[in-house]
Amino acid sequence: AQRVTQPEKLLSVFKGAPVELKCNYSYSGSPELFWYVQYSRQRLQLLLRHISRESIKGFTADLNKGETSFHLKKPFAQEEDSAMYYCALRGPNAGKSTFGDGTTLTVKP
Amino acid sequence: EAEVAQSPRYKITEKSQAVAFWCDPISGHATLYWYRQILGQGPELLVQFQDESVVDDSQLPKDRFSAERLKGVDSTLKIQPAELGDSAMYLCASSLARGELFFGEGSRLTVL
Repeated sequence: AQRVTQPEKLLSVFKGAPVELKCNYSYSGSPELFWYVQYSRQRLQLLLRHISRESIKGFTADLNKGETSFHLKKPFAQEEDSAMYYCALRGPNAGKSTFGDGTTLTVKP
Repeated sequence: EAEVAQSPRYKITEKSQAVAFWCDPISGHATLYWYRQILGQGPELLVQFQDESVVDDSQLPKDRFSAERLKGVDSTLKIQPAELGDSAMYLCASSLARGELFFGEGSRLTVL
């Protein structure tokens, strides 16, 4: 069974501070990992995926297979980063995508 | 920019009534998903279609929920009869074969 755990429901940081949103997963195999974001009054959208290895809006995430983690990081948080963040896992062959319960990030001025 | 369309945005119904949600995916997206999101939780997959075929409906409560995608384009999710515990946001998403999921704005259901 595939499972995604986001241990923090709420995370609050000050503008300019580093931020890390944790994601741990359980899957027997080689999954694809994603971070989705939902800004206020907007639909859920992709932020980044591990296979692209890109930095999007200053965010990066590294897949650590040994620790089964895919933490999202940004060195200097901005107020516009305030949103709900969901970590998601997808099995091979475009299978089922499983989401964590999300972390609400608040960046204070 | 193409988007996933869903309707209605909001639906209030009484328990034991029937409700239906409609989704129009992005043109060309063969894979369509229905997710249920209960307040404070992440989206939970109810059913996944590949064209008109169901590829995963393991979490769909089949005694009361049904979903169809007859021509492999738009889709309808039905609940009959609705129960209090069905109150949630129903999200539709679509994707290309191994691409990201594109979500609609969702249909918020309240069962009284």
